[in-house]
Amino acid sequence: SQTIHQWPATLVQPVGSPLSLECTVEGTSNPNLYWYRQAAGRGLQLLFYSVGIGQISSEVPQNLSASRPQDRQFILSSKKLLLSDSGFYLCAWSGATEAFFGQGTRLTVV
Amino acid sequence: QKEVEQNSGPLSVPEGAIASLNCTYSDRGSQSFFWYRQYSGKSPELIMFIYSNGDKEDGRFTAQLNKASQYVSLLIRDSQPSDSATYLCAVTSGNTPLVFGKGTRLSVIA
Repeated sequence: SQTIHQWPATLVQPVGSPLSLECTVEGTSNPNLYWYRQAAGRGLQLLFYSVGIGQISSEVPQNLSASRPQDRQFILSSKKLLLSDSGFYLCAWSGATEAFFGQGTRLTVV
Repeated sequence: QKEVEQNSGPLSVPEGAIASLNCTYSDRGSQSFFWYRQYSGKSPELIMFIYSNGDKEDGRFTAQLNKASQYVSLLIRDSQPSDSATYLCAVTSGNTPLVFGKGTRLSVIA
């Protein structure tokens, strides 16, 4: 069965520091992969999605970037975090009939 | 702009009643429709997936899809306090990203 791993679960980072969140998927090949952000009490905002290695689409101009170095690995990065980058970051994958989320990373920028 | 609309709620129903959650979408090319449940502080978990017009039942949950009206709903029979959560509707046109509504908060009163 397919599983999705996302880490870390929580993270506190100072303003201006770099960020790297990693997501890996097992049990499927060539999945569509997504990074979403959810601010407190808000809906899911799509940040990036990828349909294959090296193929990244950005939905919202921001302080973040994404990379897909391997088929089942998706990385979210920032060179310098802003206070507004705080939120709940979710990695997801989708196939033809399923779409699952990782456990999420709660990022607090202080 | 592809949009998915949900009533934010809160929707309050007594224990044992049927909860009815609604979702409309703007993209007529949408093919797959998902319902997720999200408990506070947790990542969304997939409840139902539907792609054909009509009803799909899974235990206490029934998803209903009407593509002509661009409408998808989720019925929860015999609602339990443990069903209290935010329910997210998501839509995709195949290889396009999942587009989420902002969610409906459901409260089941014991």
